[in-house]
Amino acid sequence: DGGITQSPKYLFRKEGQNVTLSCEQNLNHDAMYWYRQDPGQGLRLIYYSQIVNDFQKGDIAEGYSVSREKKESFPLTVTSAQKNPTAFYLCASSKGRLAGVNEQYFGPGTRLTVT
Amino acid sequence: GESVGLHLPTLSVQEGDNSIINCAYSNSASDYFIWYKQESGKGPQFIIDIRSNMDKRQGQRVTVLLNKTVKHLSLQIAATQPGDSAVYFCAENAGGTSYGKLTFGQGTILTVHP
Repeated sequence: DGGITQSPKYLFRKEGQNVTLSCEQNLNHDAMYWYRQDPGQGLRLIYYSQIVNDFQKGDIAEGYSVSREKKESFPLTVTSAQKNPTAFYLCASSKGRLAGVNEQYFGPGTRLTVT
Repeated sequence: GESVGLHLPTLSVQEGDNSIINCAYSNSASDYFIWYKQESGKGPQFIIDIRSNMDKRQGQRVTVLLNKTVKHLSLQIAATQPGDSAVYFCAENAGGTSYGKLTFGQGTILTVHP
C-alpha cells in the first residue's frame, strides 16, 4: 500500500516548545515538500527537497527547519521562533527533476495547535 | 474565480449540472498547471494537470482549459455529484529556478446540492 504518511494527525504543544512533524513516503519519490495551510487559504511552501541531503527554503521558511537524511523521510521542526505555528501542515512528494515537472502527492496532514 | 483574501469564492450547483471553476494565474513563464480537490480535514487530491503546450485536456468527467493569452485556467466538471463538494485549488509551476515548486491559488468552494 504505497503512499505518504504523516503523524500524528493532531498535535498539541505549549508555546515556546519545538515540535517535529513526521512525513514518510514509500513511493520512491526523489522530491518532498512541506506546506502550511491556514483556514480559508491556499497552501504556502515552507521547505522542499529535490534529493537526499539537500533542501531549499520555500516562501515562508522562517521559524522552521528540516532534514533529509533518507529518501523516504522529510521531518519538519516547528521551532519556538515561529510566531504563528498553529496551522494545518501538509507534506507532499513527487518523482523529482529527472521525471520532469509532475504532480505532487499529498499526505493526510497534521493539525498543530500551539497554546 | 480565485482571489486573494480570507473569503474564498464559492460555487453552488445542483446535482447533475455541469460546474466550471476558474483560476487566474500571474506568471506568464508558468509551464505546468494542476488542479487539486481538497475535502475538509484531508490532504489535496490530484484531479488533472496540463502543460503549457496544450490548451485542453480531458479526464474522467473533468476537463481543464488553458488560455495563455489571458493567463486563465478553468476546470469543468460534468454531471456534478454531491461527492464533488470540496475546495478546488489550481497550482502552477514557473520552471527555471522555481523548478518543482508549485504556487497555489486561494481555492474555490464547490457545494453540490442533491
